[in-house]
Amino acid sequence: EDKVVQSPLSLVVHEGDTVTLNCSYEVTNFRSLLWYKQEKKAPTFLFMLTSSGIEKKSGRLSSILDKKELFSILNITATQTGDSAVYLCAVGVLTGANNLFFGTGTRLTVIP
Amino acid sequence: GAVVSQHPSWVICKSGTSVKIECRSLDFQATTMFWYRQFPKKSLMLMATSNEGSKATYEQGVEKDKFLINHASLTLSTLTVTSAHPEDSSFYICSAQAYTQYFGPGTRLTVL
Repeated sequence: EDKVVQSPLSLVVHEGDTVTLNCSYEVTNFRSLLWYKQEKKAPTFLFMLTSSGIEKKSGRLSSILDKKELFSILNITATQTGDSAVYLCAVGVLTGANNLFFGTGTRLTVIP
Repeated sequence: GAVVSQHPSWVICKSGTSVKIECRSLDFQATTMFWYRQFPKKSLMLMATSNEGSKATYEQGVEKDKFLINHASLTLSTLTVTSAHPEDSSFYICSAQAYTQYFGPGTRLTVL
């Protein structure tokens, strides 16, 4: 059974802290791993990772994938209150439908 | 853990036909379910919010007569794409609201 697990479920930090969010997966026919940020309505796409060991970076956010150990991390440095959101990890599989399996998300709260 | 399923995973249909996609929460009840459409570059667009026993709330720009949503029970919401056209070809994802949103694996619709 395909499975995506995120940890922690919830995290509260102070502004300026650095956080690491974890996503581990067990799927057959791995295609890609995606990170999303969900604040109010639709999740906003952050990164797509397909290769191990190559860090993707966007401002204070970065992410890396380990296909051997089957996990990914999302790092946020110098957190701001605007980073407060649910961060979703989704794993795409190589099926005809190219299904996406989502984790349950990590709820990050950044307090001033 | 909470699981959301979608059926079918993949559907190919002719232009002008209607297609129904089911979203089920398998081990929990969901008063609210959401329907999303995935666009190129992996962004997700919220189409509508589906509430059990009442009419769905559609996002601006989404045609309610084109995308019929029915949420007849606490575990099932359906999206019917009526008179489908090639431009409706997309990946449709549902989610069910519990403690957090639990996402289904998506349905790929291809309209020929």
